[in-house]
Amino acid sequence: GAGVSQTPSNKVTEKGKYVELRCDPISGHTALYWYRQSLGQGPEFLIYFQGTGAADDSGLPNDRFFAVRPEGSVSTLKIQRTERGDSAVYLCASSQFPGAEQFFGPGTRLTVL
Amino acid sequence: AQTVTQSQPEMSVQEAETVTLSCTYDTSESDYYLFWYKQPPSRQMILVIRQEAYKQQNATENRFSVNFQKAAKSFSLKISDSQLGDAAMYFCAYRSGYNTDKLIFGTGTRLQVFP
Repeated sequence: GAGVSQTPSNKVTEKGKYVELRCDPISGHTALYWYRQSLGQGPEFLIYFQGTGAADDSGLPNDRFFAVRPEGSVSTLKIQRTERGDSAVYLCASSQFPGAEQFFGPGTRLTVL
Repeated sequence: AQTVTQSQPEMSVQEAETVTLSCTYDTSESDYYLFWYKQPPSRQMILVIRQEAYKQQNATENRFSVNFQKAAKSFSLKISDSQLGDAAMYFCAYRSGYNTDKLIFGTGTRLQVFP
């Protein structure tokens, strides 16, 4: 019933720390997407999953970013050695199947001090 | 690579009037989809309207309609009878019809609606 949920809604961390951002998709949705939205910009694609596997990870900026979806439902975006430039809103979306409408969550605002 | 350009950072409209938001895109592909999303202050992106490139007919959803000019690679959104609740950021987005499901967004247009 519920929409896409993301936790936490806000996260403040220090430069160099490790963070995990969680996304709970709509129940039954097989595809899941991560986007990053910097201030004043449109969302930028990071990665998308079909089931448990990453179907397209071409948007991950470097090897500090990693995402998993071990059971084909919840996904976690992991950022190592955070940098101030990682500060952004991280949006998650899910769709019933690839090509279907993507439903977005409210995002996690990450601030790296 | 595909790009999406929104050249109007801000637009304003009087309540009950009509406003048009512009979007152009660049692609060499023949199969693709175009979208307009609304993002209110709550940050949650909401799909407003969708257009398949192979369809000549412009999409319409209630007060929202598009003017899709494929040759000109233009995809504008018209909002009729504007309401206060239409105030938000509007993003134009592109999705390829080949082998990927990612959305490519423009930089957005902030729409203000005045009573």
